[in-house]
Amino acid sequence: AQSVTQPDIHITVSEGASLELRCNYSYGATPYLFWYVQSPGQGLQLLLKYFSGDTLVQGIKGFEAEFKRSQSSFNLRKPSVHWSDAAEYFCAVEPPNFGNEKLTFGTGTRLTIIP
Amino acid sequence: NAGVTQTPKFQVLKTGQSMTLQCAQDMNHNSMYWYRQDPGMGLRLIYYSASEGTTDKGEVPNGYNVSRLNKREFSLRLESAAPSQTSVYFCASSLRQGRNTEAFFGQGTRLTVV
Repeated sequence: AQSVTQPDIHITVSEGASLELRCNYSYGATPYLFWYVQSPGQGLQLLLKYFSGDTLVQGIKGFEAEFKRSQSSFNLRKPSVHWSDAAEYFCAVEPPNFGNEKLTFGTGTRLTIIP
Repeated sequence: NAGVTQTPKFQVLKTGQSMTLQCAQDMNHNSMYWYRQDPGMGLRLIYYSASEGTTDKGEVPNGYNVSRLNKREFSLRLESAAPSQTSVYFCASSLRQGRNTEAFFGQGTRLTVV
């Protein structure tokens, strides 16, 4: 079964600073990989996804993520954070085979932005 | 375009009561999911449905039942609610097209069992 680890429960960064959120996965093959964001009291919104090809993927709101097969990682980055980026971020994986599209989430990283 | 609609948004139950959480999607998606979200535990899959008439257990299915009677709707039933089922519940749907897929989420149901 697949699993996802987000080692950082809570991260605090200053507005304008760079950000990197870590994600490691465990799966026999390369799964589909996702980052979702959840603002307080809201549902989840997709930031970006990786299926294959270019290992650096661009998403919405200026986010990007890099897939590293050798490290089983899919870390999320942003060059300069804005106060509106304060939210909880979830990494997720899904098996690539049809009919078994169980989406599994990590425990999340809460991002706090300080002025 | 409503996307994924969950009802109710809030609910308080007494221990032992039953209720059904409703979820409907209007995007013609094949897959539907029920998750629960608890502090520090992320979203944990309760049940998954790959298509109409099929369901599969997720990580935390005990105490829950589901029904996928048609492509649009996927309901979650608590037969005898327990305080441990106090949580925020999210329904989601997705469609795998080739290598492309994306899950869409409802706004959640905040359930308190007292």
